[in-house]
Amino acid sequence: EIVMTQSPVALSVSPGERATLSCRASQSVNSNLAWYQQKPGQAPRLLIYGASTRATGIPARFSGSGSGTEFTLTILSLQSEDFAVYYCQQYKYWPQFTFGPGTKVDIK
Amino acid sequence: QERLVESGGGVVQPGRSLRLSCAASGFYFSTYGMHWLRQAPGKGLEWVAVISYDGSTKYYTDSVKGRFTISRDNSKNTLYLQMNSLRAEDTAVYYCARDREGGAFDPWGQGTLVTVSS
Repeated sequence: EIVMTQSPVALSVSPGERATLSCRASQSVNSNLAWYQQKPGQAPRLLIYGASTRATGIPARFSGSGSGTEFTLTILSLQSEDFAVYYCQQYKYWPQFTFGPGTKVDIK
Repeated sequence: QERLVESGGGVVQPGRSLRLSCAASGFYFSTYGMHWLRQAPGKGLEWVAVISYDGSTKYYTDSVKGRFTISRDNSKNTLYLQMNSLRAEDTAVYYCARDREGGAFDPWGQGTLVTVSS
């Protein structure tokens, strides 16, 4: 099984600042990596797929990068609505899809 | 607007059964693979099962194999999850999601809570 890890576990950021979230896979997943945002009491929402492609309707302040085993989600100029938990997920080893444990981004 | 709406959750005793439904609208349901995922209270996300667009191929995570069955009715734009022999560890919010790009999930339904407790 591919194990996904995320760092940091939690991140405190002031509105308007940049947040950088990391995700690591235990084996190469090429670019088969997605990022999701989940707010309390809500379903997850797809932000990024293919490691760097923004999903429909996702603001340009969200960007993804990386390939192989190391990935980054960058949120430029955090807005109040961006404070949430972010998960990465690999889908190279179909159908054994696995998620990271999440990074919580809260207000500093 | 693409939309998924789950139903069928509730409180059930260990060993009993429950069937979840997921009604799709706003897209051509019959052309997409569909997934069930779950999230235990306060925990992370776990993929549960996937079914191909025509229902011919199904896969499950190991912990539910032999107990859960995923199915679909393309004439009703509806996805199902039949859950038998339920255990306390199956307690979670269950989400349905459409397959995107061969393994990303988009969109998601709002979720339905399943609580397995005596």
